[in-house]
Amino acid sequence: GAVVSQHPSRVICKSGTSVKIECRSLDFQATTMFWYRQFPKKSLMLMATSNEGSKATYEQGVEKDKFLINHASLTLSTLTVTSAHPEDSSFYICSASRGDYEQYFGPGTRLTVT
Amino acid sequence: AQSVAQPEDQVNVAEGNPLTVKCTYSVSGNPYLFWYVQYPNRGLQFLLKYITGDNLVKGSYGFEAEFNKSQTSFHLKKPSALVSDSALYFCAVRDGAAGNKLTFGGGTRVLVKP
Repeated sequence: GAVVSQHPSRVICKSGTSVKIECRSLDFQATTMFWYRQFPKKSLMLMATSNEGSKATYEQGVEKDKFLINHASLTLSTLTVTSAHPEDSSFYICSASRGDYEQYFGPGTRLTVT
Repeated sequence: AQSVAQPEDQVNVAEGNPLTVKCTYSVSGNPYLFWYVQYPNRGLQFLLKYITGDNLVKGSYGFEAEFNKSQTSFHLKKPSALVSDSALYFCAVRDGAAGNKLTFGGGTRVLVKP
């Protein structure tokens, strides 16, 4: 149990376009979902925390208008990178919590902006 | 504020030898401690956790970790390393008194040589 999926696994987009990444909890209801960004050979940086039905809480330094997060249901959260630029290229990982002390991680999405 | 330190960027070990990956933490409340492993272009895989109870925690793939409150450490160990253990390892902490955010260490790359 506690499986989290992400779609797509890889995406290439042109500079200036927007791209949406989905995070789904497949076999449990996620009261909270988290979005992380990971640069090559670096640790995970928490971008935002989202609770179902409410606005996401962004970490300091993360532009909420650029990284739009929607937690529409207890099994789905989306991250939209708007007006993407090459510096947004990164590995994005989501995790989901069902209200206990654990987070269950998705497999990640590799975004490349050309 | 909570923080995690992994003092070694990389650990090299010969196959069959013991493996230790170091982690120290700082929290204001009770620590919830986690170890994850990441293979290239993949998400995080859970190895083990300490919430309460026995200081020695056994996890997946033969890994274990020892919680040491006085030294604020949670080192990951494996008695006999395998080449397939070569990966990136992350220690993470959640402050029991500060919500459900995880803070990650910088990661330690483990290279097991045959």
